[in-house]
Order: sequence, then structure tokens, then C-alpha cells
Amino acid sequence: AQSVTQPDIHITVSEGASLELRCNYSYGATPYLFWYVQSPGQGLQLLLKYFSGDTLVQGIKGFEAEFKRSQSSFNLRKPSVHWSDAAEYFCAVGPTSGTYKYIFGTGTRLKVLA
Amino acid sequence: DAGVIQSPRHEVTEMGQEVTLRCKPISGHDYLFWYRQTMMRGLELLIYFNNNVPIDDSGMPEDRFSAKMPNASFSTLKIQPSEPRDSAVYFCASSVGGSYNEQFFGPGTRLTVL
Repeated sequence: AQSVTQPDIHITVSEGASLELRCNYSYGATPYLFWYVQSPGQGLQLLLKYFSGDTLVQGIKGFEAEFKRSQSSFNLRKPSVHWSDAAEYFCAVGPTSGTYKYIFGTGTRLKVLA
Repeated sequence: DAGVIQSPRHEVTEMGQEVTLRCKPISGHDYLFWYRQTMMRGLELLIYFNNNVPIDDSGMPEDRFSAKMPNASFSTLKIQPSEPRDSAVYFCASSVGGSYNEQFFGPGTRLTVL
């Protein structure tokens, strides 16, 4: 069955430190992969997506993610975290079962220390 | 564009009452998605529409839930009768061309059923 796993429920980093959020997926074919961010009280916003081609994908707000087929991973990275990056981050994979459906991970909540 | 608009932002009701959540998608978007977010189950897709037609409602938890999209600019999600376990944040999202493209999320409706 298709699935997405985000192993880290909470992560705390200091402002200016680097960040890596993990995402592993289970999918029978080449997946479409997404990272979304949810700020408190807000809806989700797309950070970046991968469909094909270059496995290193650049997104908004200085984020990037690397698709590694051999590891079934799509980890999100940022070289220097800002206090405003504190939010919840969701990895998603789609489509599933022949329909336009995402499967979302359970999310990683990022806390940034000043 | 104002983005996806949802109303109300907060709803508190008593068990057994009917609840109607509303969504106005971004103009020109042909896909509309309803999601439910809870701590226990994360973000779940309930139903999605394409050109106002329901395509997949397999995520609708029970017959108490129903969704309609009478026109391209309006959709409702109704729960009748409501139960405490329906308490969650309900998101509406819209996109052009389905899940391969970015979904734009509304701010959500926080539903509390007492």
C-alpha cells in the first residue's frame, strides 16, 4: 500500500542552524512528491514538488529537497533556519489508486530557538 | 485573488445538530478538495470534485457526511447529525488540473462538537 512516513514528530533547531526534515514513502511507481508548510492557524502552502528530472528540487523560502529513489526518501533541507520557519511541515505523495489523491504524512513540527 | 475562502472559521455546536461548512475556491480552478485534520489521523482527504462533479468520496467517513458543489464558485460540506468525534479542522483546497499541480488551501474551519 502507498504510504508516507515522517519519522520526526518534533524538531527543535537554533536560528541560523541547518535543518533536515525526513520523509520516506512507499509507492509502486515513480511518485509525485510534495512538501507543504502549515503556519499556526493557517492552511497548507506548497514549498516544493518533484515529478521528474533533477533530483534536487528548489522551493520557496530557501528550502530544497532531494529525491533518492534507492532510499525511498524525499528529505527537506534548509541551510540556515529563520525564526519565521517555525511551523508544521507535511510531506505528501500522489497520485494514488488512479485518482487525484495525495497521501499526507503525519507532519513534523519545527520549533526555532532564538 | 483572495485565495480559497472558508466560512465559518470557527464553529461550536452540540451533538446532534446539523453543521454546514462553506468553501469558495479560487476562480478558474477546476478541482476542489475537502480535507479533515485531527491529531490522531492527520490530514485526510474526504472528497474531491472536478468541474463541480464529485469524483471520489471514498474518504467520507459516514453517511452523516455529505458534500455538494452546485457551481464552480461554491461548495458545502454538511454533517448531520454531528458527533463529538467529528471535532477537527476542515480544510478546503482548490487546484488547476488535479493533484499534479499545487493545491491552494483555505484557512480551515475549526469545528467543535460538544
